[in-house]
Amino acid sequence: KAGVTQTPRYLIKTRGQQVTLSCSPISGHRSVSWYQQTPGQGLQFLFEYFSETQRNKGNFPGRFSGRQFSNSRSEMNVSTLELGDSALYLCASSLVSPGGTEAFFGQGTRLTVV
Amino acid sequence: AQSVTQLGSHVSVSEGALVLLRCNYSSSVPPYLFWYVQYPNQGLQLLLKYTSAATLVKGINGFEAEFKKSETSFHLTKPSAHMSDAAEYFCAVSEVDSNYQLIWGAGTKLIIKP
Repeated sequence: KAGVTQTPRYLIKTRGQQVTLSCSPISGHRSVSWYQQTPGQGLQFLFEYFSETQRNKGNFPGRFSGRQFSNSRSEMNVSTLELGDSALYLCASSLVSPGGTEAFFGQGTRLTVV
Repeated sequence: AQSVTQLGSHVSVSEGALVLLRCNYSSSVPPYLFWYVQYPNQGLQLLLKYTSAATLVKGINGFEAEFKKSETSFHLTKPSAHMSDAAEYFCAVSEVDSNYQLIWGAGTKLIIKP
């Protein structure tokens, strides 16, 4: 079966712009989680969506938002980009929950803010 | 709050030597425990998980981990390292109190010397 697909793989944006990243989970999976990965901070949890509802949220500013559609595909949006937002953004899909059933990760979107 | 500690941001071993990556968690309640591996420019892949069955868990690629409640540890081992094992390894924990969200360690980069 197809894995988790994240698009685009690479993105370069300018400070102050906004960006939208997309994640298509494995068919049948209803949970989608988003993480930010940087060399200094490691893996930081952004939020989790389950059946179109945000179920959990990490400690990120309101510039970071997300949503999930009825087909479980998810998007995350970052507004007013800052240099510090440069990171690898990872999406993970799970049947029910990332820590209860296995989390399957996409390859990530590498965002560079200049 | 639950936390995960991985001892050593970098571990270097010779090819053919024993691999030991350490992970300690803080929960007093036996949680679910995971090891994930991340190869360069890739997402994370599940190596193995403990969910309160056998305390010695076997995973993919010859890795295994032992849950020790008394030591609140879940160390990852492999008897003989291969060059292909070079990657970053993440320990994670989840429990029902956190709605089965994954709490991540900082990661350990495994370096294999020829």
